[in-house]
Order: sequence, then C-alpha cells, then structure tokens
Amino acid sequence: DARVTQTPRHKVTEMGQEVTMRCQPILGHNTVFWYRQTMMQGLELLAYFRNRAPLDDSGMPKDRFSAEMPDATLATLKIQPSEPRDSAVYFCASGLSGGVKDEQFFGPGTRLTVL
Amino acid sequence: ILNVEQSPQSLHVQEGDSTNFTCSFPSSNFYALHWYRWETAKSPEALFVMTLNGDEKKKGRISATLNTKEGYSYLYIKGSQPEDSATYLCAPMTTDSWGKLQFGAGTQVVVTP
Repeated sequence: DARVTQTPRHKVTEMGQEVTMRCQPILGHNTVFWYRQTMMQGLELLAYFRNRAPLDDSGMPKDRFSAEMPDATLATLKIQPSEPRDSAVYFCASGLSGGVKDEQFFGPGTRLTVL
Repeated sequence: ILNVEQSPQSLHVQEGDSTNFTCSFPSSNFYALHWYRWETAKSPEALFVMTLNGDEKKKGRISATLNTKEGYSYLYIKGSQPEDSATYLCAPMTTDSWGKLQFGAGTQVVVTP
C-alpha cells in the first residue's frame, strides 16, 4: 500500500529553534509539494519540486524556510529560526509528472507548535 | 495567485438529503480542475480531475460538473450520509502554473443523522 510518509507527526518546539520536517514520497513519483494548513490561508503551497529540482518556492518565506530534496526518496522542509506564527500543519504531497490528470497524494502531515 | 472561491463556506445536511456547492475560478488559461475530499484529522484525498467544458464525473453518490467558459464547477452529494462529512476543496490548474494546484478554502459539509 504505497503512501506518502512524513516525520515527525507532531513537533513542539520553542521560538528560535530549528525545525526539520521530512517527507518520503511514493516510490516512482517525481513531483513533491509542501503545503501549510492555517486557519487564515487554508491550504497554501510553500514549495514544489519536479525530478528533485525546485520549480517554485514563491509561497515560502525565504528568510527562514528552506526546502530540499537530497535524493528521490526524501524531501525536507526546514525552518530556522522558528517563530510562533509558523505553528500549523505541514503537508507533503507527491505525484507523477505533475500533469493535468495526475492527482496529488498527501501525507498525514506534521503538526508543528512553536511556543 | 488565482482567485478561487468556494461557497458556501459550510453547510449542514440532514442524512438522506441531497446537496450541492460551488467552486468559482478564473476561466482564462484554464487547464484542469481538481476536487479533493478532506476529512477531519486526515489528509486530503483526490475525488475528481476535470478538464473539458461540460465534463461530468461521478464516484458513488458524489458527482461534479464543469463549466470552463464561465469558470465554475458544482459538486453534488446525493442522499448524504454521515460519512460524507468532510471539507471539499477545489483546485484549478492553469496552463501557466506548471502543475501547481491553487486550493480554494473549501466547503465544510456536516451530515447529521
């Protein structure tokens, strides 16, 4: 049963600390998306990779957020330093080719709380 | 950023009743429209992908229609059941968006027995 996995599922940290969230896309998928769920913005796209190359990270605060794909089986989203306003659920999704017919498969999310 | 509007924001439905709600999006550069179903404490799951004007998709008691010329899609739930309770998100894709989906805020459906 192929699925996207995310770790950790929950993270509580203090303001100023570094946070790293990890995502393992479905094997064979070549697109990876990072989303953030907030009360105000709903589901907002932070970053988008295709074949491990970043295609769009315009939705991501550049000063503190960074997203990478060290290899095809791992995507990371890092916040340094974290702030209370970063508290949200972060979802990773993967898909195949990013084509019009291709649905995105979402992971279970990482619930981040920054105190 | 696309202007995607979903209405109503939420609705309560009695079990057995049918309901429908709307997704509005810019009709220019339209490529596809995705519908997702998002249950509380779970992850969004894909329902439909629609591309052609006049398209109709159906999955069980849930169906959707698409009007690309005027930029809207309806999602219908026939004979609602408590397990249909979820937030339904629409997400258009444009020809210049490189595979990105712009999610609407969703319509939260609560089906009461």
